[in-house]
Amino acid sequence: GAGVSQSPSNKVTEKGKDVELRCDPISGHTALYWYRQSLGQGLEFLIYFQGNSAPDKSGLPSDRFSAERTGGSVSTLTIQRTQQEDSAVYLCASSSRLAVYEQYFGPGTRLTVT
Amino acid sequence: DQQVKQNSPSLSVQEGRFSILNCDYTNSMFDYFLWYKKYPAEGPTFLISISSIKDKNEDGRFTVFLNKSAKHLSLHIVPSQPGDSAVYFCAASPGTYKYIFGTGTRLKVLA
Repeated sequence: GAGVSQSPSNKVTEKGKDVELRCDPISGHTALYWYRQSLGQGLEFLIYFQGNSAPDKSGLPSDRFSAERTGGSVSTLTIQRTQQEDSAVYLCASSSRLAVYEQYFGPGTRLTVT
Repeated sequence: DQQVKQNSPSLSVQEGRFSILNCDYTNSMFDYFLWYKKYPAEGPTFLISISSIKDKNEDGRFTVFLNKSAKHLSLHIVPSQPGDSAVYFCAASPGTYKYIFGTGTRLKVLA
């Protein structure tokens, strides 16, 4: 079966533009996470979706960041008016409800804001 | 404030020897711990976990030790192989879905 996929793999954008990052989780996984890894940092939790429950958005760094998960599957992370400090690798992970500790990660999207 | 710390950014060991990767945490509410391995241009992959009711968990060449009183866990790899060269992240959770990750330790196993 396919793993978690993310697109694009690389994105270069100008400061002030909006970007959308996509995540396709493993089929049947109800939980979906977005993380960010800036240079020299650990994985920073951004947002968590579990089934039809309200998402946990407590990790989103500002109101320029938002995420949706349509139909309990594909998720899109949107960053509006990008800033240089948004440059990072954005990782998506999914897990089953019964094994939330075992997260399966996608390869990430490397975002560079110039 | 870093709640999960991996103080060694890098480590080099000879093939066949012990690799020991360390992780310290500050939150006594953490009760589930994970180790992930990450190769370049790939997402992290789950390696091994341990809950706070145990002090050791073993899976093949990988063993994780937990010292709750010291708020310290370590990952032992023996024998180390060149394919183990990667960045290793520890992560901790207070029993919820939310994990706090360390900054990672880059392991290089020399042939």
